[in-house]
Amino acid sequence: KAGVTQTPRYLIKTRGQQVTLSCSPISGHRSVSWYQQTPGQGLQFLFEYFSETQRNKGNFPGRFSGRQFSNSRSEMNVSTLELGDSALYLCASSLIAGKTDTQYFGPGTRLTVL
Amino acid sequence: GENVEQHPSTLSVQEGDSAVIKCTYSDSASNYFPWYKQELGKGPQLIIDIRSNVGEKKDQRIAVTLNKTAKHFSLHITETQPEDSAVYFCAASIRNTGNQFYFGTGTSLTVIP
Repeated sequence: KAGVTQTPRYLIKTRGQQVTLSCSPISGHRSVSWYQQTPGQGLQFLFEYFSETQRNKGNFPGRFSGRQFSNSRSEMNVSTLELGDSALYLCASSLIAGKTDTQYFGPGTRLTVL
Repeated sequence: GENVEQHPSTLSVQEGDSAVIKCTYSDSASNYFPWYKQELGKGPQLIIDIRSNVGEKKDQRIAVTLNKTAKHFSLHITETQPEDSAVYFCAASIRNTGNQFYFGTGTSLTVIP
């Protein structure tokens, strides 16, 4: 069974631009979560989607948004990019939502903001 | 929210020795504790997990122990090998809050051949 895939793997943007990252969960998994990983803050939860609905949201500004499609694929968007948004963005999928479930991570998208 | 602390931040061991990484959590409602291994350029890989109704779990050379009273859990790796070198993260999830994980700050493990 294929793992979690994320595209693109690398992105370079400039301040003020916006970016969209994509995540395809493991086949059959219906919950997708997004995390930001930086050397200073570590791994921080952004949001979780299940059945096209946002179930949980972390402490990030409204510039960070996401959505999930009927096939469980998910996208996250960051608008008005800032230098501090440079990070590895990780997507994780799990079979169900509503109760804590094992999460499997993708390889991440490395975003660099210049 | 939950606060997870992880120690040590770096750990070097000789090949064949054991490695122990410790984490503490703050919210007594946390009930799921996974451990992830992250190699350079890759996403975190689940290596073992434990739920709050279990005190210890083993998988070959890897074991995790949980002390709910003290709110701490530990990862034990025995007979370490060079390929165990990576960054290890502990995490905690609060009961009935879905899949929001709170991560520790990571331990960089180096196994010296």
